[in-house]
Amino acid sequence: EAGVAQSPRYKIIEKRQSVAFWCNPISGHATLYWYQQILGQGPKLLIQFQNNGVVDDSQLPKDRFSAERLKGVDSTLKIQPAKLEDSAVYLCASSSFPQGANYGYTFGSGTRLTVV
Amino acid sequence: GEDVEQSLFLSVREGDSSVINCTYTDSSSTYLYWYKQEPGAGLQLLTYIFSNMDMKQDQRLTVLLNKKDKHLSLRIADTQTGDSAIYFCAESGSTGGFKTIFGAGTRLFVKA
Repeated sequence: EAGVAQSPRYKIIEKRQSVAFWCNPISGHATLYWYQQILGQGPKLLIQFQNNGVVDDSQLPKDRFSAERLKGVDSTLKIQPAKLEDSAVYLCASSSFPQGANYGYTFGSGTRLTVV
Repeated sequence: GEDVEQSLFLSVREGDSSVINCTYTDSSSTYLYWYKQEPGAGLQLLTYIFSNMDMKQDQRLTVLLNKKDKHLSLRIADTQTGDSAIYFCAESGSTGGFKTIFGAGTRLFVKA
């Protein structure tokens, strides 16, 4: 089966500019996650979707970050305006488990964002 | 909140066994995981263990869980240079709505 697709692989922008990342999960996976991985740290969950609804966005900086999954398939994550501290790898993952189960996610290769 | 801690670096010689350790704080952890991340890549799930298990073996990988001490370890037998990567310990449980919480990762160096 095809894996989780993400684009672009790399992005360099200046602070205060905007940027968008795209993710296409594994076909049939209802749950999609966006994680932020700052260099030297573990991934931190930004937002979780179940189909096209948000399950958890408690750690998403909503003043500058937004995400959508309009048709319950692919998703975009946007940052506007970007700050230097947003430099990180943005990882998308997907899964399809019954409620209360978590057998591990499938991750994409990530988008490396550098804000200068 | 939930926390997962692991040592940052481990260096071993090719052919030796590697043991990567992790501790976690969430008493409700139901699943515990080991993920591998190679340079420029996303995370790859290596294995997971249910909290009611003590051990799980999968080829060269052995996972040990001490639930009383909230300690998880990953043993890689006959470590190869291709095993050089960052290994992330992670957990999920009812406290966090079964979301996956990651440690900071252990960078494994394998010397030829």
